[in-house]
Amino acid sequence: SQKIEQNSEALNIQEGKTATLTCNYTNYSPAYLQWYRQDPGRGPVFLLLIRENEKEKRKERLKVTFDTTLKQSLFHITASQPADSATYLCAPSPNQGGKLIFGQGTELSVKP
Amino acid sequence: GAGVSQSPRYKVAKRGQDVALRCDPISGHVSLFWYQQALGQGPEFLTYFQNEAQLDKSGLPSDRFFAERPEGSVSTLKIQRTQQEDSAVYLCASSPDAEVYGYTFGSGTRLTVV
Repeated sequence: SQKIEQNSEALNIQEGKTATLTCNYTNYSPAYLQWYRQDPGRGPVFLLLIRENEKEKRKERLKVTFDTTLKQSLFHITASQPADSATYLCAPSPNQGGKLIFGQGTELSVKP
Repeated sequence: GAGVSQSPRYKVAKRGQDVALRCDPISGHVSLFWYQQALGQGPEFLTYFQNEAQLDKSGLPSDRFFAERPEGSVSTLKIQRTQQEDSAVYLCASSPDAEVYGYTFGSGTRLTVV
């Protein structure tokens, strides 16, 4: 069955450093992959979408890579800030009409 | 409205009671999705509409769960004879084209079955 794995342990980093979150998927080949941010008590917020023919995508301090051979996406936040503290969700598409399958999320904590 | 609106924000139901959860998507968004999120987990897909057509309901856990979107805008997720394992946050999302723009989620309805 389709499976998505994200870092299960919380990631704690110092302000100003680069945070790197990992998303691995198995048993399917998504045409695209999305990343979301979720704060406690709120719904997820869309951040970035990367397609299978794109190796890398950037938006301000965010960078996403997509390696279809390794079946992996990396999500980077450069010059991290305490306001970046949240849970980040990876969602590769199973190519079924816009439906997404979400990973369990990685909690990021940025300390001042 | 500016975003996806869900109501109620919180719902406490006695086991065996029926509940109805409402979702008001962004006006003009063709696609509407329902997800269930347990504490500490990612959202789990329940069902998907394109306009009024329910194209995928493969994630509905049992026949006690039913969703509708009769006029292609507001959607209702109904759970009959609620059970304790139904306790979760139910998230609704809409999109003009999920493969291009991603989803816009509501804040969810937290359902607690006692």
